[in-house]
Formats: sequence, C-alpha cells, structure tokens
Amino acid sequence: QQQVKQSPQSLIVQKGGISIINCAYENTAFDYFPWYQQFPGKGPALLIAIRPDVSEKKEGRFTISFNKSAKQFSLHIMDSQPGDSATYFCAASRDSGYSTLTFGKGTMLLVSP
Amino acid sequence: GAGVSQSPSNKVTEKGKDVELRCDPISGHTALYWYRQSLGQGLEFLIYFQGNSAPDKSGLPSDRFSAERTGGSVSTLTIQRTQQEDSAVYLCASSLDGTGIQETQYFGPGTRLLVL
Repeated sequence: QQQVKQSPQSLIVQKGGISIINCAYENTAFDYFPWYQQFPGKGPALLIAIRPDVSEKKEGRFTISFNKSAKQFSLHIMDSQPGDSATYFCAASRDSGYSTLTFGKGTMLLVSP
Repeated sequence: GAGVSQSPSNKVTEKGKDVELRCDPISGHTALYWYRQSLGQGLEFLIYFQGNSAPDKSGLPSDRFSAERTGGSVSTLTIQRTQQEDSAVYLCASSLDGTGIQETQYFGPGTRLLVL
C-alpha cells in the first residue's frame, strides 16, 4: 500500500515558469511533510518542510502549500531555473524521531533554458 | 568528512554472491537509516538504528538482508545470496537525534548495486 502518492512522474517547465508537484497522503497520523531534492549521482537533500499548524511555508522561490482536510500538499517552484532540474521527492511521517519517513515515488523536473 | 559517506560507490556482483555496503554517518549523529532506491520506485525504508536501542527492521524485504551498527557509528548492510531484483541504489542517512521531533535526515551519495 503506497501511503504517499506523488504526481506528476515527470515535468518539463520553461525557464521562469512555475513548477508544481503534488502529493497526497492517506495516514491521518502524519504531521511532518518534507520535500527532498536529488541531483543525479547524489543523495537526496532536504529542501523545505512543513508541519500542519500552517497552511503554507515559503523559502525563497520554494513554497509548500498544505491542505489538511484534503490530505494533500504541494511544492511550488517560482521562477524555475535550469539549476532546479532534479528529482523531487515528497515525504511524510509522524513528527517524532521514532517515525520513519514514507516517500513518494519522485518527480523528475526538467527546466528548459 | 562533513557529510555521510558510503562505500563502495558502485558494486557489480554475480547472482548468489553476498555483498556488504558500508555507511559512515555524520559524526555525532545517533540515528542512522538505510533506504533502497529502485528506478521509478522512490525511496523504500529498510532499517533504522537509534543509539543503543534495538533497530527497527520492519522495512527489510527478506531475511537475506541484514544490517549492523558497530559502536554507534559505522553501519554495514549485508545482502546474502543476491538476486537480480536487489539491483538498486542503497542510500544511508543520519540525523542528530532520532528521539524528539522529526529532524533533517542527511543522505549519503549511495551505493549503486548491480546484480548480474
């Protein structure tokens, strides 16, 4: 059973455009939602994370939008740049160190020059 | 080094052989995780170590997989009698203290395993 569903599988955006990646979760006990960015040949790195006490979190060009009632959250990349081309993973867990992360299957983003 | 290191970076083996993958976490990090990344399948949790507590092995796919962590630092993931479906990237991550709220997991570059 896949507990975190991520879409789209791949995405092509023109430079300067907005990239949007969506995730949906099933476990209502989840209350920590990070996004990881992975470049080819590298391990994933934390990009931004949100807890459900807020509906939106912004860090630079990256914004997470969170909809608790719909059990959905999304990553928006504003003014997308070629350097943003990478694979993005959403994840979810209970906000406890004893809880392991459940990852989505990833979205390959290509930002064309 | 400042980050999580893994070795070897690439491993090619024959079906039926055993392999050992090594992870050196960030110094001072007490929590250590192993994940498997297969093409198009995202990151699959395998096992979690926290200090001296019994590891959470709930993600290990079969009894051919095992892991240990010596001295609360270096960890080794062992796959016995490898199968072609074991081909994947094996990622290790560590975090400062896995007992409180969720903390950032820092990932190593992974070991790319190919079973022929």
